[in-house]
Amino acid sequence: NAGVMQNPRHLVRRRGQEARLRCSPVKGHSHVYWYRQLPEEGLKFMVYLQKENIIDESGMPKERFSAEFPKEGPSILRIQQVVRGDSAAYFCASSPKAGPNSPLHFGNGTRLTVT
Amino acid sequence: DAKTTQPPSMDCAEGRAANLPCNHSTISGNEYVYWYRQIHSQGPQYIIHGLKNNETNEMASLIITEDRKSSTLILPHATLRDTAVYYCIVRVQTDSWGKLQFGAGTQVVVTP
Repeated sequence: NAGVMQNPRHLVRRRGQEARLRCSPVKGHSHVYWYRQLPEEGLKFMVYLQKENIIDESGMPKERFSAEFPKEGPSILRIQQVVRGDSAAYFCASSPKAGPNSPLHFGNGTRLTVT
Repeated sequence: DAKTTQPPSMDCAEGRAANLPCNHSTISGNEYVYWYRQIHSQGPQYIIHGLKNNETNEMASLIITEDRKSSTLILPHATLRDTAVYYCIVRVQTDSWGKLQFGAGTQVVVTP
């Protein structure tokens, strides 16, 4: 069984460009979560989506960041006009249900480097 | 913010049991205790979770005290591949879902 798939594994962007990070959840999982890990820091929750809906975006920066999980296809985390401070590892997770008794399963992340 | 306290680091000898402590004295009755680990450069890996009862799976055992104020993750036979940061997380119920918030964790080093 395939786990959470994220691509690309590594992404290099120049300041001002756009970054698009893709996440395919575990087959059958309809709940997707994005986390960010800045260098030498902990994992921080960004956003939780359920097919076509944003449920909780309390951790998303107010500007330049957006996320979607369309009816068909992977979830996308989009960062517009990237800055050096966006350099981080971005992890996606999925779960079959909502609620605290349903574990999140993480992918191996996309490492974004902004030059 | 995470509602748990873990030692920042601990060493364990290969082949021995690793007992990782976690304090969560303010846990509420409907909050689960989760354990994840993160091996360098990889995504967090789910290990185990529980509410009140002790739990065991192929990776580890979770022992939760009767008052639920602390727990211990047990890796029965540590190997070098178990070297990782281990996170104890109390999963907080907010609105319709339980947000998973990571703290600093315990850096576990398994030595030969």
